[in-house]
Amino acid sequence: LAKTTQPISMDSYEGQEVNITCSHNNIATNDYITWYQQFPSQGPRFIIQGYKTKVTNEVASLFIPADRKSSTLSLPRVSLSDTAVYYCLVGERRTNAGKSTFGDGTTLTVKP
Amino acid sequence: DADVTQTPRNRITKTGKRIMLECSQTKGHDRMYWYRQDPGLGLQLIYYSFDVKDINKGEISDGYSVSRQAQAKFSLSLESAIPNQTALYFCATSDLSGTGENIQYFGAGTRLSVL
Repeated sequence: LAKTTQPISMDSYEGQEVNITCSHNNIATNDYITWYQQFPSQGPRFIIQGYKTKVTNEVASLFIPADRKSSTLSLPRVSLSDTAVYYCLVGERRTNAGKSTFGDGTTLTVKP
Repeated sequence: DADVTQTPRNRITKTGKRIMLECSQTKGHDRMYWYRQDPGLGLQLIYYSFDVKDINKGEISDGYSVSRQAQAKFSLSLESAIPNQTALYFCATSDLSGTGENIQYFGAGTRLSVL
């Protein structure tokens, strides 16, 4: 079971790019990296998933180096509404349940 | 996500009472999950089910039981509630998309207080 380590909290300002790094030193060959966003008193929401190199969607980018021992979620030009907790999960895609955990996440606070 | 509905949204109960939290989904997903979240912490997996006949324990199943009544329904029971089960409970569903992403979709949560 791949353990993940993220910073507990980060601060940013509106309009800035935010990069949140997750360490997963014992990631397995079949593991994928998935990021979720959670607002207070709401369920987490999927942001992005990747296996290697770079993945981009309309919300964020995910950078994964060749050794895959870490990954970086990049949020371009954040706004106040991006204030949330961000979770990094590592697990095998087809049997993800029970083999990956949410951890405590990174609390991102965006200031005006 | 409105496609995953949890009832009730809030519940206050007393120690020793039996309580059931219900989850229904209209996404047509085979996989369903129950998580618990304590204040300021991440989500812990209680139980998960890959289909109606497949139910598995998660990280913290002690004191909980589940029932998968149909593909769309997955209930969580606390047979004899205790105060340290006070938490926010989330139901989630997932399925393998064409690209195999296994994304989880969460309900709005049930806030449970055990007095």
